[in-house]
Amino acid sequence: GDSVTQMEGPVTLSEEAFLTINCTYTATGYPSLFWYVQYPGEGLQLLLKATKADDKGSNKGFEATYRKETTSFHLEKGSVQVSDSAVYFCALTSNSGYALNFGKGTSLLVTP
Amino acid sequence: EAGVAQSPRYKIIEKRQSVAFWCNPISGHATLYWYQQILGQGPKLLIQFQNNGVVDDSQLPKDRFSAERLKGVDSTLKIQPAKLEDSAVYLCASSLDSTSGTQYFGPGTRLLVL
Repeated sequence: GDSVTQMEGPVTLSEEAFLTINCTYTATGYPSLFWYVQYPGEGLQLLLKATKADDKGSNKGFEATYRKETTSFHLEKGSVQVSDSAVYFCALTSNSGYALNFGKGTSLLVTP
Repeated sequence: EAGVAQSPRYKIIEKRQSVAFWCNPISGHATLYWYQQILGQGPKLLIQFQNNGVVDDSQLPKDRFSAERLKGVDSTLKIQPAKLEDSAVYLCASSLDSTSGTQYFGPGTRLLVL
């Protein structure tokens, strides 16, 4: 079945460091890919998405490119801030159903 | 625009008791989802409604879990009887329709079963 694998955390970075959180997927057909973020004490929020190969999703300085050849959707940010500390979830929806299939999440802690 | 509302926010019960969670989706959203998020894991779909019909309940433990969405708006999720392994956060999400791709999540109900 469809699945998402993302790098395990926690990831600890200093402010202004470069961030990469790896995400790879297994799916039949052409899934849509998402990154959701969960800030401490808050609900899940959509961060960005891409619906077809080579699409780049971007929001709040974060970017991810849908790579069909490597079945990946890695999340990047050039300069993280303390306020980016959160848990990040990679997810997909498949053509056969539209519920989200989530990875396990990656905790990010940014220190001043 | 009001977001997805859920209640209660927290619930503590003993095993074998029953519990119910309520969700009010964003107005006009036809599709409603219930997810279970166990600590340290990503959310897992329990059930998906399209209006008041069930689209997918393949991962719902039907011997103890039930859900309904009367009138195609609010939804309730019930557990009876609860087990220790049901301790989790129960998330409700809604989307405009099943093909829109973007789901909006409520704050969740944190359940602890003792």
